[in-house]
Amino acid sequence: GQNIDQPTEMTATEGAIVQINCTYQTSGFNGLFWYQQHAGEAPTFLSYNVLDGLEEKGRFSSFLSRSKGYSYLLLKELQMKDSASYLCSRGGGNKLTFGTGTQLKVEL
Amino acid sequence: SAVISQKPSRDICQRGTSLTIQCQVDSQVTMMFWYRQQPGQSLTLIATANQGSEATYESGFVIDKFPISRPNLTFSTLTVSNMSPEDSSIYLCSVPSRPGQFFGPGTRLTVL
Repeated sequence: GQNIDQPTEMTATEGAIVQINCTYQTSGFNGLFWYQQHAGEAPTFLSYNVLDGLEEKGRFSSFLSRSKGYSYLLLKELQMKDSASYLCSRGGGNKLTFGTGTQLKVEL
Repeated sequence: SAVISQKPSRDICQRGTSLTIQCQVDSQVTMMFWYRQQPGQSLTLIATANQGSEATYESGFVIDKFPISRPNLTFSTLTVSNMSPEDSSIYLCSVPSRPGQFFGPGTRLTVL
């Protein structure tokens, strides 16, 4: 199967750190992607993990454990503009399979 | 990243009619993908459009409902046929990127 599970909603405070978790089924795995999608806009690429460990890119980091079928996206120094949906996506061949997305709300 | 345009950006259609959505890319790509995003939901792959061959449809999607054309390496169309209100969604095309995929701006379809 291709089930990808992530929390539906999260709320965090401006300036704080938030971690969005994602679990997926490991068969045929070919990389784990995180996309950001603001309301009414197309998804935009944030990060990609194919090997275990942490990938850091500015305020955003993504972690992968292939044996556990687990990833997380870490957002530091949250800003109001980070309020968006964050989509965990599993690569398999040329295809991407998306989770339901986590709607993050950043509050003052 | 590629530059992708979609037409129309949005439309309101009557039940039983059909709408053709266009996707134009500024570079040649072997594969183009069509997704549906229903209200409040994530993206679901409809089909992969390959130039010179029939599109490959995912489970739950059929050619009669979602015919796809791919006349060249920079263009594809998706038709939503015999529409019902359940077809109200955002339809997005995407192309391979390194890594992952790059998405077009989407077409917001409302069926009354």
